[in-house]
Amino acid sequence: DTAVSQTPKYLVTQMGNDKSIKCEQNLGHDTMYWYKQDSKKFLKIMFSYNNKELIINETVPNRFSPKSPDKAHLNLHINSLELGDSAVYFCASSQHTGQAYEQYFGPGTRLTVT
Amino acid sequence: AQTVTQSQPEMSVQEAETVTLSCTYDTSESNYYLFWYKQPPSRQMILVIRQEAYKQQNATENRFSVNFQKAAKSFSLKISDSQLGDTAMYFCAFRIQGAQKLVFGQGTRLTINP
Repeated sequence: DTAVSQTPKYLVTQMGNDKSIKCEQNLGHDTMYWYKQDSKKFLKIMFSYNNKELIINETVPNRFSPKSPDKAHLNLHINSLELGDSAVYFCASSQHTGQAYEQYFGPGTRLTVT
Repeated sequence: AQTVTQSQPEMSVQEAETVTLSCTYDTSESNYYLFWYKQPPSRQMILVIRQEAYKQQNATENRFSVNFQKAAKSFSLKISDSQLGDTAMYFCAFRIQGAQKLVFGQGTRLTINP
């Protein structure tokens, strides 16, 4: 069973378009995240939601808007795509109880903006 | 701000050898967690091992073990009897207790040669 899934896995689009990436987790976790991995493989957090409430919003352009319809889903919508948005976007989830609450990652979505 | 540094961009060893990946971090917090994640060519981020800062005993998971030196803020990963399937990017990550944000190092590309 897939724990954290993302769709699509690959996304190729032109500058100026609007696109969405969907994420779903079936682990029963209450916290979900979006990370961006750039061309140098550096991973940086973008957003985090806990029980549908935004708790982390790093310095991300307003063109990026996360939406969490429920605890199991966290979508990322990107407006007016730019070349610099090309990257791999990872969704992750964790349970915000217990001690270490590891984050479990989805397979990533490779976004290419042409 | 917390930072994580992996000083070895690339490493290469022969199959069955032991290899150690370095990681240092900077924080003024005393309660935190450290992780090593593996990212094979498939792109999936896989948790390898975690360490709670309050534990003096080094974590071990089969062929993977860590050398946690809290005073030195060092957290190295040792892979024993390396296998071809260990070829991947390895990321060291840090999280403060009670916070959700994972801070990643730049990654080390490890190649296991036959």
